Amino acid sequence: QVQLVQSGNEVKKPGASVKVPCKVSGYSFARYGISWVRQTPGQGLEWMGWISGYNGDTNYAQILQGRVTLTTDTSTSTVYLELRSLRSDDTAIYFCARDSLHGGNSFLDYWGQGTLVTVSS
Amino acid sequence: DIQMTQSPSSLSASVGDRVTITCRASQSISTYVNWYQQKPGNAPAILMFAASRLQGGVPSRFSGSGSGTDFTLTISSLQPEDFATYYCQQSFSAPFDFGPGTRVDVK
Repeated sequence: QVQLVQSGNEVKKPGASVKVPCKVSGYSFARYGISWVRQTPGQGLEWMGWISGYNGDTNYAQILQGRVTLTTDTSTSTVYLELRSLRSDDTAIYFCARDSLHGGNSFLDYWGQGTLVTVSS
Repeated sequence: DIQMTQSPSSLSASVGDRVTITCRASQSISTYVNWYQQKPGNAPAILMFAASRLQGGVPSRFSGSGSGTDFTLTISSLQPEDFATYYCQQSFSAPFDFGPGTRVDVK
């Protein structure tokens, strides 16, 4: 079955970086992209970016440009989210999700369990 | 960027009620809207894609409609497991932003 497994929670200081892995299984890695979505405590969902499992093409939310990088390791079917220059308002749960395509419409059909990243001095 | 709004932000309902949630896009997005359900402590789960296409395994009491800028998610007869927060998302153009959510709780 399709699974997206994320790592445990992280605590970082302001200005530091975090790299969150998302290991996928149960499907052909190259056939789907992965999106990242974050959720601040008690708040809504923010789309952060997308990476192709086929060729590593990326698309980032403009508001995060320059601070976020998505990468893949095809040998381990793992996608990584790196966020740099962390601020307190980056404290959130970070989700990876498989990006499925149906008739030109993309949607997130399988999700990881989320990784809580806390930014605090 | 395309802005997504939802109304109401929250509603109280009883089991068996018909519930309708509205989502509006700041520009026309054809039927490029998805709906997700999120329960506390869990990741969101896809309910509907392309405005009206039910994801496999989702009960038929959920339905979606709309095109252009206005969309609705309807639950025909609310069940106990449906108390949750519902989000719309546009998939027309990046950034693929979500609406602010509608919380459905017990009346």
